[in-house]
Amino acid sequence: DTAVSQTPKYLVTQMGNDKSIKCEQNLGHDTMYWYKQDSKKFLKIMFSYNNKELIINETVPNRFSPKSPDKAHLNLHINSLELGDSAVYFCASSQEAVTDTQYFGPGTRLTVL
Amino acid sequence: GEDVEQSLFLSVREGDSSVINCTYTDSSSTYLYWYKQEPGAGLQLLTYIFSNMDMKQDQRLTVLLNKKDKHLSLRIADTQTGDSAIYFCAENYNQGGKLIFGQGTELSVKP
Repeated sequence: DTAVSQTPKYLVTQMGNDKSIKCEQNLGHDTMYWYKQDSKKFLKIMFSYNNKELIINETVPNRFSPKSPDKAHLNLHINSLELGDSAVYFCASSQEAVTDTQYFGPGTRLTVL
Repeated sequence: GEDVEQSLFLSVREGDSSVINCTYTDSSSTYLYWYKQEPGAGLQLLTYIFSNMDMKQDQRLTVLLNKKDKHLSLRIADTQTGDSAIYFCAENYNQGGKLIFGQGTELSVKP
């Protein structure tokens, strides 16, 4: 059983479209995260949620909106996609926000044409 | 500040030891991590060390932490071709679990 899963694995879309990436964890963790990895492999946190409540919101354009319907899911919706949004997006989860190890999903490669 | 630095590339021969170095800036970090990323794959947690420890050993992996110099290293003994990957150092910045990653060190293991 996959601990942290993401769908889709690949996403190719046109500029200006709206798309969503889904993340689910079956570890029973309370905290979930979204990270962005750019073409140079640099990883940066975007958001984190603890028990469906937003606790970290880095300087991310408001075209990006995370949604947590329950503590096992954290979806990322992106409006009006731009070329610069092309990246690999990773979801992660941990039991506690500060002290616990984060486990990552396999990533979603987003390509905006 | 939030800054984690790593060298970008390391090349070793199969069977040698590899040492990947990392420096960080946040002295209040409670945990420091090493993650491995194989091509086209996600991040796999390799090991972590609590900030009050100097060393942690886990099979072929040895983590050394020098808190005074804010320096972390990962030693892989008997490096194999399957160890070829990008290795990321990360610190747990104490604001709700934000992980600050280094740029990643690409390890190339030659037969």
